[in-house]
Amino acid sequence: NAGVTQTPKFRVLKTGQSMTLLCAQDMNHEYMYWYRQDPGMGLRLIHYSVGEGTTAKGEVPDGYNVSRLKKQNFLLGLESAAPSQTSVYFCASSRISGTENYGYTFGSGTRLTVV
Amino acid sequence: KQEVTQIPAALSVPEGENLVLNCSFTDSAIYNLQWFRQDPGKGLTSLLLIQSSQREQTSGRLNASLDKSSGRSTLYIAASQPGDSATYLCAVRWETSGSRLTFGEGTQLTVNP
Repeated sequence: NAGVTQTPKFRVLKTGQSMTLLCAQDMNHEYMYWYRQDPGMGLRLIHYSVGEGTTAKGEVPDGYNVSRLKKQNFLLGLESAAPSQTSVYFCASSRISGTENYGYTFGSGTRLTVV
Repeated sequence: KQEVTQIPAALSVPEGENLVLNCSFTDSAIYNLQWFRQDPGKGLTSLLLIQSSQREQTSGRLNASLDKSSGRSTLYIAASQPGDSATYLCAVRWETSGSRLTFGEGTQLTVNP
């Protein structure tokens, strides 16, 4: 089925380790996003991209980097993981054309634990 | 500050009951509002998208309304079923935020058989 695919689904990291989360969409959406979801804080935007080769900071960007080298992929990197980055990470994509506004499609999430 | 609030945080109802979930937002300058469903340990599934020019959207037993002037949206679920048990989130796309969404914290719904 068409949609947004996230890998891996689960990961445990030690403090200071690095990793990359991969998001892939096959809907030809221009826009892609990375959110984190924490109890009591809801979904917060980390970084987003409005097109291939472009990225921008969201609400909570510190400690993360992103890249969008191909339109269908959006990578989220943690250079030196910290326990505060323990969370569930969601990728999403959307298509906006002119004045038309389309909804978001979300991936199934990556559950990351930093010990 | 642009914020989205959902009250109550949790709701428990008997099967068959009609129910309303509430979402309020602090800035009426919105492009659209979207309702999502999230099952435990899963991602978000889009339920309904209401454009700023619309008053309501319907899908099956679900009906979402939008009142921009009062900063409120409601999600009405008719004849609730145990399978409706999930967390329901609303999200707003503001006119000043490009394509980004601001989410409420959600209402956790439990429908008891």
